[in-house]
Amino acid sequence: ILNVEQSPQSLHVQEGDSTNFTCSFPSSNFYALHWYRWETAKSPEALFVMTLNGDEKKKGRISATLNTKEGYSYLYIKGSQPEDSATYLCAFPSSASKIIFGSGTRLSIRP
Amino acid sequence: KAGVTQTPRYLIKTRGQQVTLSCSPISGHRSVSWYQQTPGQGLQFLFEYFSETQRNKGNFPGRFSGRQFSNSRSEMNVSTLELGDSALYLCASSLATGNSYTDTQYFGPGTRLTVL
Repeated sequence: ILNVEQSPQSLHVQEGDSTNFTCSFPSSNFYALHWYRWETAKSPEALFVMTLNGDEKKKGRISATLNTKEGYSYLYIKGSQPEDSATYLCAFPSSASKIIFGSGTRLSIRP
Repeated sequence: KAGVTQTPRYLIKTRGQQVTLSCSPISGHRSVSWYQQTPGQGLQFLFEYFSETQRNKGNFPGRFSGRQFSNSRSEMNVSTLELGDSALYLCASSLATGNSYTDTQYFGPGTRLTVL
């Protein structure tokens, strides 16, 4: 059974602070890793697709890195803002059409 | 471009009944996947449809079934509902290009099913 784990489960961060969290995935048979942001009462929204040949991905204050050899990806948020409050999910395609999601990291930003 | 739509948004059923949920993908998207989310669980993959064919299936009992129509719209059916089927059901569509591993999934708002 393939396991995709995210840590921590939840995180409370002061506004303006930077933070990061982890997604661990099987290091064998790697094809890609996806990061999604899921805000309350909204739909999950794609952030990044990490691939074998990819460098660090960046979108505004959010960036992600990938280590396929050891099977982990980090998501970084610089200068957290209240609008960053959401659950961040990583997803690992175990086959072309079957995706395994981690249980997410719930991020809360304190003003 | 319109996003993924799901109907209904909320549903209350009783044990033993059956339910059908509908998903309309983004125009041009050929793949539709269904997920279940229950409290404390991540998104659990139910199944994926592409060109009216089920391409992959998660570890759910046969009471969960689905289909896809020629216009890529998809329906999911749950028969003989159990209390544990209460969950948020999300569908997601993707373009299904040559490299499906990197395809981005676009999610609908979900249908919240409550089984009493």
